[in-house]
Amino acid sequence: AQSVSQHNHHVILSEAASLELGCNYSYGGTVNLFWYVQYPGQHLQLLLKYFSGDPLVKGIKGFEAEFIKSKFSFNLRKPSVQWSDTAEYFCAVIQGGSSNTGKLIFGQGTTLQVKP
Amino acid sequence: DTGVSQDPRHKITKRGQNVTFRCDPISEHNRLYWYRQTLGQGPEFLTYFQNEAQLEKSRLLSDRFSAERPKGSFSTLEIQHTEQGDSAMYLCASSLGQTPSYGYTFGSGTRLTVV
Repeated sequence: AQSVSQHNHHVILSEAASLELGCNYSYGGTVNLFWYVQYPGQHLQLLLKYFSGDPLVKGIKGFEAEFIKSKFSFNLRKPSVQWSDTAEYFCAVIQGGSSNTGKLIFGQGTTLQVKP
Repeated sequence: DTGVSQDPRHKITKRGQNVTFRCDPISEHNRLYWYRQTLGQGPEFLTYFQNEAQLEKSRLLSDRFSAERPKGSFSTLEIQHTEQGDSAMYLCASSLGQTPSYGYTFGSGTRLTVV
């Protein structure tokens, strides 16, 4: 079965530090990839997505992610985090192609705590 | 239309009782998904609808769970004879099409606590 693995469960950084959150998925075919963020008490919001084309995608709030097909990875990065980035981050994948049902498979999430 | 609405936001129920949650998607969205999220985990797929047709149900959805989307608009998720293991956040998401370019719009969820 398709699965998504996020390696870091809890990350603590100081403001201005660089961030990289790892995400690996198990499906070998065509995939669509997403990063969602959930701020405390709020709903899931889309940070960025990859469907095709340039494997380096840019999202909102200065986040970017790189799709490396050979490594089945879609790591999230931000050069300089802010206190307001404190949230939970979820990587998710949709199996693409003819098997696409549109259902998201999520990783277990990474809690990011940014210290001011 | 401001987004996906879920009602209630919180529900506390006694074990064995039935509960029903409602999701109102964005009006023009034809797809509606239900997910369950437990503490420390990512959301897990439960079921989805295209218009009024329920196209897939996860194995997580036991016989005590039923979902409907009459007329392809709002959806309800009912849990009969609730158990403590049903305690979770139940999320609804909607989209136009199966892989929308903007992603999926999620509601704020219904947090169920079974005591």
